[in-house]
Amino acid sequence: DSGVTQTPKHLITATGQRVTLRCSPRSGDLSVYWYQQSLDQGLQFLIQYYNGEERAKGNILERFSAQQFPDLHSELNLSSLELGDSALYFCASSVAPEPVSEGYTFGSGTRLTVV
Amino acid sequence: GESVGLHLPTLSVQEGDNSIINCAYSNSASDYFIWYKQESGKGPQFIIDIRSNMDKRQGQRVTVLLNKTVKHLSLQIAATQPGDSAVYFCAELRDNYGQNFVFGPGTRLSVLP
Repeated sequence: DSGVTQTPKHLITATGQRVTLRCSPRSGDLSVYWYQQSLDQGLQFLIQYYNGEERAKGNILERFSAQQFPDLHSELNLSSLELGDSALYFCASSVAPEPVSEGYTFGSGTRLTVV
Repeated sequence: GESVGLHLPTLSVQEGDNSIINCAYSNSASDYFIWYKQESGKGPQFIIDIRSNMDKRQGQRVTVLLNKTVKHLSLQIAATQPGDSAVYFCAELRDNYGQNFVFGPGTRLSVLP
């Protein structure tokens, strides 16, 4: 167990729907990162939050949004879902705003299937 | 478990042999690199890191080599074991996204009995 908790583990939904993925970072970590892993794109950085504030944005679609709450858990909201959004979504956390050593700690991911 | 990257390059090695996994990175300004291991159904797990002021770093059964001239990283695993079967990613820390990691495409290591 890495200490980063992601729920749900699996999610199946229809095109056009909206889903929310949840992440609780490792105890003591203030930074949360979201990555998307698809078969043809590998691990793609989406967005980072540090202590409740957005810190960096990567290849995140406008249909996607995220936030980090005062208790430091984070949610990734995916809307108007398309078949191509089917992927593994990983959350990772770190203590500092930048991964100064040993990178991030990843959760086990949420497998999203859009049908 | 989950399948990751069905079309990944695959390295097959005999149990007990040494494995070498290679990675090319793109940004000559990147100064921190990590190798991650991802087993089926799990998230990536840290193996070893190296900073750009070094060209070699050793861990337990693993060694990372960095060649900045050709922007190349390699991961060497000694005496490969069945538990080493996984997908291995190199990641470089880039400033483009506020100092976040950019991952390589990954290599699947398959250990043969």
